[in-house]
Amino acid sequence: EAQVTQNPRYLITVTGKKLTVTCSQNMNHEYMSWYRQDPGLGLRQIYYSMNVEVTDKGDVPEGYKVSRKEKRNFPLILESPSPNQTSLYFCASRPIPPGQGSNEQFFGPGTRLTVL
Amino acid sequence: EDQVTQSPEALRLQEGESSSLNCSYTVSGLRGLFWYRQDPGKGPEFLFTLYSAGEEKEKERLKATLTKKESFLHITAPKPEDSATYLCAVQARSSASKIIFGSGTRLSIRP
Repeated sequence: EAQVTQNPRYLITVTGKKLTVTCSQNMNHEYMSWYRQDPGLGLRQIYYSMNVEVTDKGDVPEGYKVSRKEKRNFPLILESPSPNQTSLYFCASRPIPPGQGSNEQFFGPGTRLTVL
Repeated sequence: EDQVTQSPEALRLQEGESSSLNCSYTVSGLRGLFWYRQDPGKGPEFLFTLYSAGEEKEKERLKATLTKKESFLHITAPKPEDSATYLCAVQARSSASKIIFGSGTRLSIRP
């Protein structure tokens, strides 16, 4: 089954404790992206990647890191989480870079992160 | 500044009662406008892409239309299973990768 998976689905942590949220897709998509979703603010892009070893900042990259060493994986790293990073996080992928054809992004199920 | 505004924030309809959701956008040259459906606790699910004013797309009870300033998602004779949050997003011609999402319309259909 074609899908985007994220782990963990739920995470409660404390300020300053490094964490990684994994994202993996099995559709051989070049483009992958991370979003956070907050009430009243909609989905905001954190980082995106056009292909292996190619990453760039979205609208709200502060406090986050990403890496793209393999085509299928795009982990989101919070080196020193803070309470304002409490949010619902989504990973997404698509078969061709945005700007070319349909924007049918496939989203993962989400990771609900709470930073105390 | 590129911006997407959706209205209303929430809409409650009776089963079979048709209505429309609005997405107003400000963007420096539109590359594409997108509609997604999001169910509680799940990731958004792609519905439509619209590229130019006058374009329409249909899927079951949903029809999306586009003008130069806004898009409408028309829901005809909705059923309870159409209850969800509907998200609108735009991509500017100046950006190859940036997608701007609205905050969504939460739709509830009562049986």
